[in-house]
Amino acid sequence: EADIYQTPRYLVIGTGKKITLECSQTMGHDKMYWYQQDPGMELHLIHYSYGVNSTEKGDLSSESTVSRIRTEHFPLTLESARPSHTSQYLCASSEAGGRAYEQYFGPGTRLTVT
Amino acid sequence: TQLLEQSPQFLSIQEGENLTVYCNSSSVFSSLQWYRQEPGEGPVLLVTVVTGGEVKKLKRLTFQFGDARKDSSLHITAAQPGDTGLYLCAGVDNDKIIFGKGTRLHILP
Repeated sequence: EADIYQTPRYLVIGTGKKITLECSQTMGHDKMYWYQQDPGMELHLIHYSYGVNSTEKGDLSSESTVSRIRTEHFPLTLESARPSHTSQYLCASSEAGGRAYEQYFGPGTRLTVT
Repeated sequence: TQLLEQSPQFLSIQEGENLTVYCNSSSVFSSLQWYRQEPGEGPVLLVTVVTGGEVKKLKRLTFQFGDARKDSSLHITAAQPGDTGLYLCAGVDNDKIIFGKGTRLHILP
């Protein structure tokens, strides 16, 4: 059973606010990912990390930033939220080798910016 | 740009019927994964197929990887309401994983 957690599950905030979406996993996975998913649309990779102090931008350009100071923790920050940031944000992790790239997803954070 | 096309986009069938959904690409993948996502939750991995022509069974679900490793299918036998959800395929090529848009399946009781 995968153990990956995201908080908050739901967030409604006003334009211009700074927010941090939390993601933690207890599986010791080196690789972690952030995806953005709009209703009825595919997953878009916005950030990933292959280990501590490693962060890369994904295929979809995003104004968010991430950090990876600890293996288990991969928070995503929006410095100034806008209505265009309204979406579902999914965090995932995977092992470094063997069954690499099999993604274990958290439950997601549904963000609404008013 | 690698793309994974899933079809159909939507499927609504009666409980007990059989169905097949497809995942197609013009690109070759080293492996392909299927996930199921329920409303308000993250996707959950169902299976990974690695070898061209590989067939894997998970109870009433049968997954097949095409011989050329460019496509895959998911067949569900005797569908149940609990099978309802968004089915996503994802192709892995070297360092990248690419998701399709998914097939939204609704099983009517």
